[in-house]
Amino acid sequence: GEDVEQSLFLSVREGDSSVINCTYTDSSSTYLYWYKQEPGAGLQLLTYIFSNMDMKQDQRLTVLLNKKDKHLSLRIADTQTGDSAIYFCAEHAGNNRKLIWGLGTSLAVNP
Amino acid sequence: KAGVTQTPRYLIKTRGQQVTLSCSPISGHRSVSWYQQTPGQGLQFLFEYFSETQRNKGNFPGRFSGRQFSNSRSEMNVSTLELGDSALYLCASSMETDGELFFGEGSRLTVL
Repeated sequence: GEDVEQSLFLSVREGDSSVINCTYTDSSSTYLYWYKQEPGAGLQLLTYIFSNMDMKQDQRLTVLLNKKDKHLSLRIADTQTGDSAIYFCAEHAGNNRKLIWGLGTSLAVNP
Repeated sequence: KAGVTQTPRYLIKTRGQQVTLSCSPISGHRSVSWYQQTPGQGLQFLFEYFSETQRNKGNFPGRFSGRQFSNSRSEMNVSTLELGDSALYLCASSMETDGELFFGEGSRLTVL
């Protein structure tokens, strides 16, 4: 079936890099997304990668996709306290066009 | 331009009651999706509406229903509330069915 898994917690020091990992099961996924949710707010799209790409870089964000292992990662360079949030991985399951979500990784950035 | 607006932001109901939540999408967006977010289950897809038609439905009981109006505003209704329905209900709009989702801040429902 369709499933997306993420580790639940990550703690880093300010200025370090953060790497948030995600695995998915649907090999027909077309797009994979990273969303950010700050406390008391809705979800905000951070970045996405098309399934025929290996890597995408956008300023401090780097997304790596290993399609063979169905593994997606989000690297945040020079992590800041404002990056503290929950990060959700989601795959766009091809057939019925709905998004399948991970449970979210809570990132804590310590000064 | 204004973002996705959800009302009410917070509400408390008792078991057996029913609730209606409202979502106003970004102007020009025709697709509205609803999600239930709980700590244990994460984000669960409820349904998606596009041009007043339900395009997709998640695995929720028939107590959960929705509709979309001609101005793209959407409502979802939960009847015969159960304690387990306590959650943050998120609405997201997009230009098209496969487009980028823009989320509202959610309606937090507590069922006592």
